[in-house]
Amino acid sequence: QKEVEQDPGPLSVPEGAIVSLNCTYSNSAFQYFMWYRQYSRKGPELLMYTYSSGNKEDGRFTAQVDKSSKYISLFIRDSQPSDSATYLCAMNYGQNFVFGPGTRLSVLP
Amino acid sequence: KAGVTQTPRYLIKTRGQQVTLSCSPISGHRSVSWYQQTPGQGLQFLFEYFSETQRNKGNFPGRFSGRQFSNSRSEMNVSTLELGDSALYLCASSLQRQGAGYTFGSGTRLTVV
Repeated sequence: QKEVEQDPGPLSVPEGAIVSLNCTYSNSAFQYFMWYRQYSRKGPELLMYTYSSGNKEDGRFTAQVDKSSKYISLFIRDSQPSDSATYLCAMNYGQNFVFGPGTRLSVLP
Repeated sequence: KAGVTQTPRYLIKTRGQQVTLSCSPISGHRSVSWYQQTPGQGLQFLFEYFSETQRNKGNFPGRFSGRQFSNSRSEMNVSTLELGDSALYLCASSLQRQGAGYTFGSGTRLTVV
């Protein structure tokens, strides 16, 4: 079992839809949880960063962490074509930093 | 504020050759980490340098090496290139050791033929 698993996608949604991206993990030691967005031919950029269980909102983006279930999610409201990218979850404890394999999202106008 | 700069952006090399990639971190960032990204394996950690010392290393063969200079700039070297080394090599810098403060560069796309 991989340390971090992510819905592989690809995922295609119409503009304006609510998108749900999910990751599960096996190591309960993970403390920090992040979501990165990666456009084609670019490096990943940090979108959201959370420490504890619960929800964190930033504009159209909401990150949710459930440590008891070892499950994290990213919700995108009112999705836009500009949200089309690969989304990577990441988590770490100490010096151990692990990325999920990514989910490719296409938002169709 | 300048971001993380990686050079070159694209590189084509022949099997058996060696290659050196360069990364200039954000000013003030002392930690530089390198990752290999491929469609099949995703992002895989290569190594991390902090204050010119390698602090952490991923599960890659000894053909992959790196170093960090006193100005925090970093280079990674791959010797005796194999076809499987074709990938996007990403550098990330942060103020602290590996952590959520990562800022990635745009990467170097290496193709081995």
